[in-house]
Amino acid sequence: GAVVSQHPSWVICKSGTSVKIECRSLDFQATTMFWYRQFPKQSLMLMATSNEGSKATYEQGVEKDKFLINHASLTLSTLTVTSAHPEDSSFYICSARDRTGNTEAFFGQGTRLTVV
Amino acid sequence: AQSVAQPEDQVNVAEGNPLTVKCTYSVSGNPYLFWYVQYPNRGLQFLLKYITGDNLVKGSYGFEAEFNKSQTSFHLKKPSALVSDSALYFCAVRDPSGNTPLVFGKGTRLSVIA
Repeated sequence: GAVVSQHPSWVICKSGTSVKIECRSLDFQATTMFWYRQFPKQSLMLMATSNEGSKATYEQGVEKDKFLINHASLTLSTLTVTSAHPEDSSFYICSARDRTGNTEAFFGQGTRLTVV
Repeated sequence: AQSVAQPEDQVNVAEGNPLTVKCTYSVSGNPYLFWYVQYPNRGLQFLLKYITGDNLVKGSYGFEAEFNKSQTSFHLKKPSALVSDSALYFCAVRDPSGNTPLVFGKGTRLSVIA
């Protein structure tokens, strides 16, 4: 099956620093990737939709200057949390869909971000 | 607008007994429906999907789900639960038109007791 690799699995950073999370589709070309945020014991909240070669589309309430998304190739999308604060601590998950767009989305293993 | 409801926060079942995790949806037109499972601090694993065709869909690890259009439901079932099935289960819906994201329910925590 299709594999999506997300790195790192967990990261601890100091307030004010930036953190980059990578999402790679290992065995298929992902024209679209989605970034989600999950709070403890809650569902996944869609943050943005990322299409290869174009600007990401952010959901209402998500700060695009704070959560920078880059989808420079068909196999890689990155989420950079800039000037991180403790309230940004969360579980971030990416998912990818292949060119046809008709299949289910495949998910990375998630990144646990803790800002101290 | 699409939405998914999982009415139960928690489902407890004894090992060996059948399990059902409920899901109802609201979407215009014919939906794409999915079930995913999440283990602690992990991403989501795909279990099964309904796109079209037979209303009974079989998926991974012995799970199945039945699409019921009149009741707008897509309940997840398994004839005999295992302790290892204990996890968080998410139902999701997607509008088939365009390259749209999944919309998730709030999740149901399944506990299978030995």
